[in-house]
Amino acid sequence: DIQMTQSPSSLSASVGDRVTITCRASQSISNFLNWYQQKPGKAPKFLIYAASNLQSGVPSRFSGSGSGTDFTLTITSLQPEDFATYYCQQSYSTPVTFGQGTKVEI
Amino acid sequence: EVQLVESGGGLVQPGRSLRLSCTASGFSFGDYAMSWFRQAPGKGLEWVGFIRSKAYGGTTQYAASVKGRFTISRDDSKSIAYLQMSSLKTEDTAVYYCVRDISIYWGQGTLVTVSS
Repeated sequence: DIQMTQSPSSLSASVGDRVTITCRASQSISNFLNWYQQKPGKAPKFLIYAASNLQSGVPSRFSGSGSGTDFTLTITSLQPEDFATYYCQQSYSTPVTFGQGTKVEI
Repeated sequence: EVQLVESGGGLVQPGRSLRLSCTASGFSFGDYAMSWFRQAPGKGLEWVGFIRSKAYGGTTQYAASVKGRFTISRDDSKSIAYLQMSSLKTEDTAVYYCVRDISIYWGQGTLVTVSS
């Protein structure tokens, strides 16, 4: 199985901050990397696919980069509605696996 | 608009069975694979398994943690995907999500609690 490791596990930030979350795969997954945002009691929301492609309707302050084993999710100018938990997911092979999550809090 | 609505969750005793349903609308259901994911209380996301479309054989794959106990099926005429769960364990307690393919569209989830 491909292990996905996110860092940090949590971070404190303020409105307007630039936030970077990293995700590392235990082997190369090309660009088969997705990012999700999840708020308490809600289903995950799909943000970015194929490492760097923004899903329709997602604000442009979100961006993704990387390929192979190392990936990054960046939120420029953090907004109040961005406080949530973020997960990376590899879709390169089954079992599909997720990072453990990064909680972004005030 | 793509919609996925899970149902069938609830409280069940260890060792018993439960079947979840996922009713889909807003897209051509038969053209897509359907997946199930779960999230234990306070924990991260876990893939449970998926079923391919009939065009790809309608075959299934499962996570090791549920293989042999869970079965995914589909009724394309009704646009419903099912998750049959047997020999349930307390560690199967989670919110179960239905997902089109493996990523973009998720249902709202249904809670399954396995407890005596």
